[in-house]
Amino acid sequence: DAGVIQSPRHEVTEMGQEVTLRCKPISGHDYLFWYRQTMMRGLELLIYFNNNVPIDDSGMPEDRFSAKMPNASFSTLKIQPSEPRDSAVYFCASSLWGDTEAFFGQGTRLTVV
Amino acid sequence: AQTVTQSQPEMSVQEAETVTLSCTYDTSESDYYLFWYKQPPSRQMILVIRQEAYKQQNATENRFSVNFQKAAKSFSLKISDSQLGDAAMYFCAYSDPLGGATNKLIFGTGTLLAVQP
Repeated sequence: DAGVIQSPRHEVTEMGQEVTLRCKPISGHDYLFWYRQTMMRGLELLIYFNNNVPIDDSGMPEDRFSAKMPNASFSTLKIQPSEPRDSAVYFCASSLWGDTEAFFGQGTRLTVV
Repeated sequence: AQTVTQSQPEMSVQEAETVTLSCTYDTSESDYYLFWYKQPPSRQMILVIRQEAYKQQNATENRFSVNFQKAAKSFSLKISDSQLGDAAMYFCAYSDPLGGATNKLIFGTGTLLAVQP
């Protein structure tokens, strides 16, 4: 398996624009997590899914953020409208129930100017 | 709420020497997991080692070992025979099975490790 695949690796956008980050988890994994990494707040969990269903979105900072998982092999994190303070590295991770290891993608570095 | 604290923002070690990174955590749970993740400049998050709280024996993975002190809520990482490739940011992380997702991770703020040749 190729691991967790995120796209794009880098994204630069203007304030106010919509941004969509994409994630393909490892095949067969039933948990998917979105994390955000910033200098100020470190790594924080935004939302996670189990079997494509959102379980806990308490980490989503504002209504401008939304996440979907339409099927077991694809998830999106959308920011609309984007703001400069959203600039961060966004990680997607997946795991299998009963396994304690989470596998991370290489992250998307988002810059909002 | 569970918290993870790494009190050493930066550490430095000479190649081939041993270094210990500190981590403390707070939880009221008795069943949980602790992890050390490595993040090199490529920013890939790599699992280094994990410890299950109910296991008293400290985990070991080649040159990496932990000192898990459950009563003290301490979980330090020892890197032996340090190599240049060990230079990275190291994150301590916690998870518990509450809610069914054992990989809902809470991270510390990280320790940046430099390895001097």
